[in-house]
Amino acid sequence: DADVTQTPRNRITKTGKRIMLECSQTKGHDRMYWYRQDPGLGLRLIYYSFDVKDINKGEISDGYSVSRQAQAKFSLSLESAIPNQTALYFCATRGQKNQPQHFGDGTRLSIL
Amino acid sequence: DQQVKQNSPSLSVQEGRISILNCDYTNSMFDYFLWYKKYPAEGPTFLISISSIKDKNEDGRFTVFLNKSAKHLSLHIVPSQPGDSAVYFCAASPSNDYKLSFGAGTTVTVRA
Repeated sequence: DADVTQTPRNRITKTGKRIMLECSQTKGHDRMYWYRQDPGLGLRLIYYSFDVKDINKGEISDGYSVSRQAQAKFSLSLESAIPNQTALYFCATRGQKNQPQHFGDGTRLSIL
Repeated sequence: DQQVKQNSPSLSVQEGRISILNCDYTNSMFDYFLWYKKYPAEGPTFLISISSIKDKNEDGRFTVFLNKSAKHLSLHIVPSQPGDSAVYFCAASPSNDYKLSFGAGTTVTVRA
């Protein structure tokens, strides 16, 4: 079983719809992250959470919201999807400082 | 403004030869550096890291070199194998920060 699981893996939806992407982890890490990947831009941080009561905006949080339902669960919502939010979305976790982040396999989201 | 830059979007190398991937950074507070490898339809996986107290770290066929004065790091893969064909991301953070900044990635193709 994967340590970091993202659902769904693929989603096609229409402009204006509300979408939720879910992430769960079995690593026991406190720190969780949401990124999006666009061609030529690498991974950009949307939101991150250091524990259930701590949520922080990343560099591109506009148009997104998150919920940390439990230590193991961190979901990303697009309240009203727009086409330029079409991208590959990754969830990641991290343990101690100077340890790498661990990524899920991503959600490919297409907004028509 | 991207703080981590990978200026070569792609690299093609013959099997058995050396692959050299380059990465430059602008934030002088960065002191922890990582390389991730990504296959299609999978999330990035951690490859190798280096802290600023070192200038070289080796793990099997993979070696990372850090030149702090030039704000430059490189990843050497020797010898290159077909399974090394993937996208490679450089990432960096200050040691007191749990967030990572990523480069745009370099696509490596190893030719038989």
